[in-house]
Amino acid sequence: NAGVTQTPKFQVLKTGQSMTLQCAQDMNHEYMSWYRQDPGMGLRLIHYSVGAGITDQGEVPNGYNVSRSTTEDFPLRLLSAAPSQTSVYFCASSYRAPGTEAFFGQGTRLTVV
Amino acid sequence: AQKVTQAQTEISVVEKEDVTLDCVYETRDTTYYLFWYKQPPSGELVFLIRRNSFDEQNEISGRYSWNFQKSTSSFNFTITASQVVDSAVYFCALSEAGGNNRLAFGKGNQVVVIP
Repeated sequence: NAGVTQTPKFQVLKTGQSMTLQCAQDMNHEYMSWYRQDPGMGLRLIHYSVGAGITDQGEVPNGYNVSRSTTEDFPLRLLSAAPSQTSVYFCASSYRAPGTEAFFGQGTRLTVV
Repeated sequence: AQKVTQAQTEISVVEKEDVTLDCVYETRDTTYYLFWYKQPPSGELVFLIRRNSFDEQNEISGRYSWNFQKSTSSFNFTITASQVVDSAVYFCALSEAGGNNRLAFGKGNQVVVIP
């Protein structure tokens, strides 16, 4: 089972460039979300989705866009990269039932120079 | 709003010692879920345990045990007889029943087990 797959694993961007972080899951999970992990900050929620066609903002949404056209895919778009977006990004998915554990992808380490 | 606090940042122990990680949470919901995740040096996040707010029974699973106390809003996690493979960052997290499974994470505890 692939679980949650994120691509790429590493990326270096120049300030102002745009890019899309890909996330796909094969567990038919309704819920998907994006977190960023910064040193000493834990993980913070960027955007989440409760199903295809439905997305909402998390704690730190500025500078990011998401869409959910299928159950499987939940890409995260950086519109105009800034050094403050240097971070490790994790995609997660879970079933709809409250309290079910989230499954995480391997993470994408993004550096903006 | 939900909030999770892990006060200790780095904890070093000698192999075979026990290590306890403290987690204090805040929520206005009466139904919520608490989790511990492990992040080894390879970077992935691994689910360890979950408790729901209406089950305060403490359990032991192998070398892991946890102490959930609603009266003090704490969900502490203990590794017994630590091993080098336990070296990792451990995150406590909370989700509220009405929160669409959104997780609020603590800042994490870096555990270093010294052989």
